[in-house]
Order: sequence, then structure tokens, then C-alpha cells
Amino acid sequence: QSALTQPPSASGSPGQSVTISCTGTSSDVGGYNFVSWYQQHPGKAPKLMLYEVSKRPSGVPDRFSASKSGNTASLTVSGLQAEDEADYYCCSYAGHNLIFGGGTKLTVL
Amino acid sequence: EVRLVESGGGLVKPGESLRLSCAASGFTLSNVYMSWVRQAPGKGLEWVGRIYIRTDGGATDYAAPVKGRFTISRDDSKDTLYLQMNSLKTEDTAMYYCTTYDNGCFIYWGQGALVTVSS
Repeated sequence: QSALTQPPSASGSPGQSVTISCTGTSSDVGGYNFVSWYQQHPGKAPKLMLYEVSKRPSGVPDRFSASKSGNTASLTVSGLQAEDEADYYCCSYAGHNLIFGGGTKLTVL
Repeated sequence: EVRLVESGGGLVKPGESLRLSCAASGFTLSNVYMSWVRQAPGKGLEWVGRIYIRTDGGATDYAAPVKGRFTISRDDSKDTLYLQMNSLKTEDTAMYYCTTYDNGCFIYWGQGALVTVSS
């Protein structure tokens, strides 16, 4: 199965909101409510930011939210802060597979 | 505190084998599904495979690029997860992360072990 489709880059100024899309198919994103999002800073391990489409683990700021419509999931970061600059990856359950998106580099201008 | 520490990475030649280990602490490994995720240099994340808990049969699933060459196993008595990698290819060069897995997501991550396959 092919990787989920994410825009290579996104940007916003401090305080603004930015949304990153993640498009799959009815066999992955559209077929299950098991979409998750990960933040990765350079040289660091990824960190789980959202799971089961829109649930936030303890400790993740509520500035991070996510949703899903059909075969497309979306991550929104509100009130952008400098420390939000990182790579973001979506991931979807697909039966016996897990599929990641190609990643989006978020730049805080 | 949950901690996952990978070891065993290194430089190998194409066709050779390597085994990664992941030492778990801060939780009971036998109760947790586990997974491996890799990241080639400068590239995105790629799921490698997962292993169920013993009471669910201890089954494994693998991504297509590694199926038949990689084997995930667990020794719950040692709180250790393994990734046996055989017939390595240059395209297997990556940082390999050990993760806990639940409901389609990877919750806790190790710091990674670098595997380089080159002649």
C-alpha cells in the first residue's frame, strides 16, 4: 500500500493556526478511526500527539487538534509557537498494516 | 517512567544479518503489543512490523518490504523485544525505533538504533 499523502511543507506565524492534511483511501484513513499524528524534532524520536483521530495523550497541549472526513485526516495547530516547528507525520491503521504519511515540515515564520 | 532502549545497530554488508534488541522498563512488557518503526536517513517513517501479546497468540505482522526477511520476537521474562534482520539490503539502512503499540498508534518510542547496510 502507498504512503498517505501529506503536503511536504506548511508554515505560519506565531499565534496563527495551520492545518496539515493527510489523504489516504477507504482501505486505511477512510476505513478506520485509527489515525494518529506524530511530531518529530531534528535528531529526536517521534512523539505521539493525537490518536484515534482526535484524542490527545496526557501532556499534549490542546492547541493541537485533529479530525477526519472521508479519506482525509487533518491536524490543526492553533496559536503557533516556535517550539511547534518540526516534522509531522500522520499514520493510519489498515488491517494488518500501518501506513505513514510522507511527513510535513512545519515552519514557524 | 516508561523507557525503551535499543541496541545492536551497526554497519553490515548486503546479505548479512543483524539482530536488534529493545530493553523495556517502567511497564510490564508481557501486557503490551510492541512494534518496530524505521526511518531512512532524511526520509519519513515506515512501519516495520508488530507483535501481539502472548495471550493473544503472540502473532506477528510485517510490512511488505521486510516480510520473509525480518522476524520480531519477544522475551517477556527479560523484558526485551528483538528484531532479527536477515538478507539485509542497502535500502534497509535506517534508524530503527522500538515502540509500544495500541489501537493503531505508537505510544512510547526508544531513541533508535542505526543500521547501515553498505559494501
